[in-house]
Parts: sequence; structure tokens; C-alpha cells
Amino acid sequence: GESVGLHLPTLSVQEGDNSIINCAYSNSASDYFIWYKQESGKGPQFIIDIRSNMDKRQGQRVTVLLNKTVKHLSLQIAATQPGDSAVYFCVRGKLIFGQGTELSVKP
Amino acid sequence: GAVVSQHPSWVICKSGTSVKIECRSLDFQATTMFWYRQFPKQSLMLMATSNEGSKATYEQGVEKDKFLINHASLTLSTLTVTSAHPEDSSFYICSALDPDNQPQHFGDGTRLSIL
Repeated sequence: GESVGLHLPTLSVQEGDNSIINCAYSNSASDYFIWYKQESGKGPQFIIDIRSNMDKRQGQRVTVLLNKTVKHLSLQIAATQPGDSAVYFCVRGKLIFGQGTELSVKP
Repeated sequence: GAVVSQHPSWVICKSGTSVKIECRSLDFQATTMFWYRQFPKQSLMLMATSNEGSKATYEQGVEKDKFLINHASLTLSTLTVTSAHPEDSSFYICSALDPDNQPQHFGDGTRLSIL
């Protein structure tokens, strides 16, 4: 069956450093991926998305990389700030949430 | 940007009570809304897809008679947890698709605690 999973359940980084959150998927038919950020007690917030015809997409301080060969997706956050502390989910298509990675930023 | 409002944000009630949760799209019309359930330290699990003017589509293992969904208008979907028990305690989150079918916009969730 298909699955969307994460390599690291928790990630702790120093403020100002770059963060990399990884996600693996198993269904080769996946053509659309989204990264969401969920702060404690709130609903997920859209960060960035990417389609399978792209291998990189950049937003404000964030970059998503898609490697279809190894079925791997990553979210890079530049100059991580305390406000980036949250759980990050990769989502396949529009409905299938991965496990989630909790990002903790140390001041 | 698109806003989805969920109400109430927090509810505590006695076992056996039925609880209704509302999900509203405030600045767009949503023909499709989704209901998720999330336990602590876990991911979101899709419960059902709510379609305006028709019956909801439930995911495998989700009891449709337990979790009643009504999507009577293009801006409102409701989830009613009937005869709630302590095991129904969870964080319930809704989302909506805007007309352009862009990524879902999520509400801020409802924390349900059944005593």
C-alpha cells in the first residue's frame, strides 16, 4: 500500500541554523505534495507545495526538494527562528498526511 | 487569504451526550470539506469527505452513524459526535477546498473531552 512517512520524528536546531525535514513516499503515482506546519493546538497551515514535474520550489525562507528517483521529499528552512517551532507534515495529494516531524528551535 | 472557522474550539461534556462541531468557510464557497481526527503526538487521520448537497463519504473504519456529517450549504459543514464516550475524546479538525481546488485550508480544530 501507499504511505507517506518521515525519517526523523523530532528535530532540534539552534536559532539561525538551517533546518531540513525529510519525507519518504512509497506510491510512485504521487504527483502532488504539500508541506504543512501545525503549531500546538491549531490546525495545519499551508507552507509550500510541489508537483511531480518539478524537483525544486522556493518560497520565503523555505525550499522544497523532490527526488522522484528515490521517492524522497524534503523541506529546508533557512535561518530557523523560534516561531518555526511546530510539527511539520508532508502530505501526498490532498489528503494523506505523513507521520510528522516536531521541530524545536533553541534560542 | 482563505479562512476556515471552526466552532467550538473546546468542549467538555458528559458521556452519552451528542456534540456538534461547525466548520465554516468565511470568504469562499466550499463544495467539499473534510473532517480529520488527531490524537496527541500523532498525525491527522481523515475521517470523511463532506460534499455539499449529498451524503458524506466515510473512510474505512469510521462509523457513519456515530459521526454524522451534514453539508447543507456551500459555507457550512457540521460534524455531530453522537452518544459520545471517553474514547471519542480527540482533536477534530476540518478543512475546505476553495473553488480553484487549491490545497486545503484548515480550521483551528475542536478539542473534545468526554468525561
